[in-house]
Amino acid sequence: AQSVSQHNHHVILSEAASLELGCNYSYGGTVNLFWYVQYPGQHLQLLLKYFSGDPLVKGIKGFEAEFIKSKFSFNLRKPSVQWSDTAEYFCAVNAFNTGRRALTFGSGTRLQVQP
Amino acid sequence: NAGVTQTPKFQVLKTGQSMTLQCAQDMNHEYMSWYRQDPGMGLRLIHYSVGAGITDQGEVPNGYNVSRSTTEDFPLRLLSAAPSQTSVYFCASSYSRDNSPLHFGNGTRLTVT
Repeated sequence: AQSVSQHNHHVILSEAASLELGCNYSYGGTVNLFWYVQYPGQHLQLLLKYFSGDPLVKGIKGFEAEFIKSKFSFNLRKPSVQWSDTAEYFCAVNAFNTGRRALTFGSGTRLQVQP
Repeated sequence: NAGVTQTPKFQVLKTGQSMTLQCAQDMNHEYMSWYRQDPGMGLRLIHYSVGAGITDQGEVPNGYNVSRSTTEDFPLRLLSAAPSQTSVYFCASSYSRDNSPLHFGNGTRLTVT
């Protein structure tokens, strides 16, 4: 079965610091990859997605992620975080031909940005 | 443009009670799903549906039933609530199952005592 690992459970940064959140998945075939964000008290919203093509994808609010197939990774980055980026971030994978037609989510990374 | 609507927002049940969490979407999405969110465990798929009349089990289906009689609605039923079902439940939909982003509802916070 496919699995998604987010090794950073809680990250605390100061404003203007750079951010990188790790995401690794276990499936070796074709995948669609997503990052979702959940601001406090809100539902999940799509941050960015990768289907094919350029492995460096750009999302909303200055976030980007790089798909490295050889490392089964899809890490999320932002050069300079803001206090408003305080949220929980979830990586999700949809693996083709697994018989499971749904996204598998990682356990999430809680980002706290201090002013 | 309501998107995905979940009701109720909060619910407290006693062990053994049953209830239905409602989910409706107005985007004509084929795919709908239910997730539960627990601290440190992310979102886990309970059940999903790829179209009216078609449902399938997800990762944690035990204790829950679903049906999909219309494209718009996808209710989640708890047959006999247990404290282990205390969680936040999210309904989500997308245009297709494979590569369309999910649109989430605002969630239902359920407490079972």
